[in-house]
Amino acid sequence: GAGVSQTPSNKVTEKGKYVELRCDPISGHTALYWYRQSLGQGPEFLIYFQGTGAADDSGLPNDRFFAVRPEGSVSTLKIQRTERGDSAVYLCASSLQSGSKAFFGPGTRLTVL
Amino acid sequence: KQEVTQIPAALSVPEGENLVLNCSFTDSAIYNLQWFRQDPGKGLTSLLLIQSSQREQTSGRLNASLDKSSGRSTLYIAASQPGDSATYLCAVIGNDMRFGAGTRLTVKP
Repeated sequence: GAGVSQTPSNKVTEKGKYVELRCDPISGHTALYWYRQSLGQGPEFLIYFQGTGAADDSGLPNDRFFAVRPEGSVSTLKIQRTERGDSAVYLCASSLQSGSKAFFGPGTRLTVL
Repeated sequence: KQEVTQIPAALSVPEGENLVLNCSFTDSAIYNLQWFRQDPGKGLTSLLLIQSSQREQTSGRLNASLDKSSGRSTLYIAASQPGDSATYLCAVIGNDMRFGAGTRLTVKP
């Protein structure tokens, strides 16, 4: 595709449920980043992939959060036992390689009731 | 861990003013620095990318500078317009990409 896409655009779930958020990066981009953004805040780093491997997952807040990128393209962010505090916009970005210009998707707005 | 700070947190100016947004970072071992714009409820739009070997980058009324050794970047906006109202974010790109909290700019007609 022409840009980074994220699905769904909105997700409403109940506390305790499991959710998956998907990111389709720009074709050929090897680096992929996940962020979480709360209202009025800058994007908070979660995890960064270089190819299929997580190069830095230091931003994942706890073990309820997990992300995969099995074939080095599409990535899925998985959140188990969701809590109300997980409500935020989840942003994905990709770049051609580590250190190059990053392009962001429109985000997924997650609401945990 | 890279820490990125943006000052001021918010800025309100009358139309036509020139203004400067500041970004500072703690680890100078970076590849690039990228400035983004974010409109309310929207995603991030890239404005300028400065490579670590560069000192300046210009696009239209925007000029970004980078002083890697001192850990600082500025975004200069000339002749501001109401349409420039948005949140401006700087991202420091090293082995990962870290953001500041942003500067919320309001340009009044």
